[in-house]
Amino acid sequence: SQKIEQNSEALNIQEGKTATLTCNYTNYSPAYLQWYRQDPGRGPVFLLLIRENEKEKRKERLKVTFDTTLKQSLFHITASQPADSATYLCALVPRNAGNMLTFGGGTRLMVKP
Amino acid sequence: DAGITQSPRHKVTETGTPVTLRCHQTENHRYMYWYRQDPGHGLRLIHYSYGVKDTDKGEVSDGYSVSRSKTEDFLLTLESATSSQTSVYFCAISAPLGGQGYGYTFGSGTRLTVV
Repeated sequence: SQKIEQNSEALNIQEGKTATLTCNYTNYSPAYLQWYRQDPGRGPVFLLLIRENEKEKRKERLKVTFDTTLKQSLFHITASQPADSATYLCALVPRNAGNMLTFGGGTRLMVKP
Repeated sequence: DAGITQSPRHKVTETGTPVTLRCHQTENHRYMYWYRQDPGHGLRLIHYSYGVKDTDKGEVSDGYSVSRSKTEDFLLTLESATSSQTSVYFCAISAPLGGQGYGYTFGSGTRLTVV
C-alpha cells in the first residue's frame, strides 16, 4: 500500500541547533515533494518544493533534500529558534496526478530556548 | 490566510442533520480542495474541483458532497452528519510557483463537532 511516513513523536531540540525532520514514502513515484508548516489552529503554510530531479533546495535557514533511491526527503532548519516550533508536514505529488497533494501525518518540532 | 476564507470557523451540529461548509477564494484559481485533518491520519482529501461544476472524489468522499457554481466558491456538504465526521476541515487552492510546480494555500479551517 502507499504510505507517507513522518515521525509521529515530537522532536525536541535546543535553540541554535539544526533540526532534521524525515519523510519516507512507499509505493509512490513522486513528481515533486513539498514541505508545509502548521501552527495550532491554523492551516498549513507552504515552505518549499523539490522536484524529483533535484537533490537539494535551500531557502534562508531551510534546506530540503530528496533521495528517490532511498524514497526519503529530509527537512533541515539551521540555527533553530523557538519561533520555529510548529508541526511540519511533507506532501508529495505522484506523477500523472496533476497537482494533487498527498500528505504525511506531520512531525511536531519543539525548539527550547 | 490571504485570498481564501472558510466559514464557519466553528460549528456544533447534531447527528443526522445536514451541514454545509463554505470556502471562498479571491485568487481566481481553477483548482480547489477539501481536506479533513484528524489525529493519527493527517490531512486526507475529501473532494476537489478543477473548474466550475467540475468536481471529483478524493480518498475519503463517502458521506460528503460538493458543489462549485462559481469559480470563487466551493461548498462541502455533509448530507447527514455522523460523529465520525467530527474533524477539522480545510479548504485549499493551488497556485503555480513560477514553473516550479504548484503550492497550496490553505484556509484557516472549520472545526466541526457532531454530537
